[in-house]
Amino acid sequence: QSALTQPPSASGSPGQSVTISCTGTSSDVGGYKLVSWYQQHPGKAPKLMIYEVSERPSGVPDRFSGSRSGNTASLTVSGLRAEDEADYYCSSYAGSNNYIFGTGTQVTVL
Amino acid sequence: EMQLVESGGGLVQPGGSLRLSCVASEFIFTNYGLHWVRQAPGKGPEHVSAVSTNGDITYYASSVKGRFTISRDNPKNTLYLQMGSLRPEDTAVYYCASDAFHTWGQGTKVTVSS
Repeated sequence: QSALTQPPSASGSPGQSVTISCTGTSSDVGGYKLVSWYQQHPGKAPKLMIYEVSERPSGVPDRFSGSRSGNTASLTVSGLRAEDEADYYCSSYAGSNNYIFGTGTQVTVL
Repeated sequence: EMQLVESGGGLVQPGGSLRLSCVASEFIFTNYGLHWVRQAPGKGPEHVSAVSTNGDITYYASSVKGRFTISRDNPKNTLYLQMGSLRPEDTAVYYCASDAFHTWGQGTKVTVSS
């Protein structure tokens, strides 16, 4: 299966919002409520930011929110801060114990 | 807080083998399915393998099926990935992760090169 499609880059000024899309198919993003989002700083492991489309793990600021429409999921980061500058990846369950990750989006805080 | 620590990475020649380990702490190991995820340089993560709580159900990506074997030793709180017939395209940082990828280890680097 192919990776989920994300825009290569996104940017915003401090305090603004940025939204990242993650496009799959009805066999993954659109078929299961098991879409997650991860933040990854250079040289670090990915960190779970959103799970089950829109749930936040404890400790993740409510500036991070997730949604889904059809086969496309979205991550919105509101009130951008310098520390939000990182790579962001989505993932989705795709059936038969398989998970697919996205191509990644580099977020720049201007 | 749940912790996962990988080890066993290194430089290996094409065709060689390597065994990765992932030791878990601060959680009830037997309650969780576990995964191996790899990330090649400059690329996104790739789901490589998964194992159920008691080890009886496994998953392998088509890219590693027949070459890699996932296993777990519940009394030792340890997850393993036995990698064989290694290829240059297996070069990546390998992470272990808990069920639904809530917790990740720090990763161990595998380089396949002559």
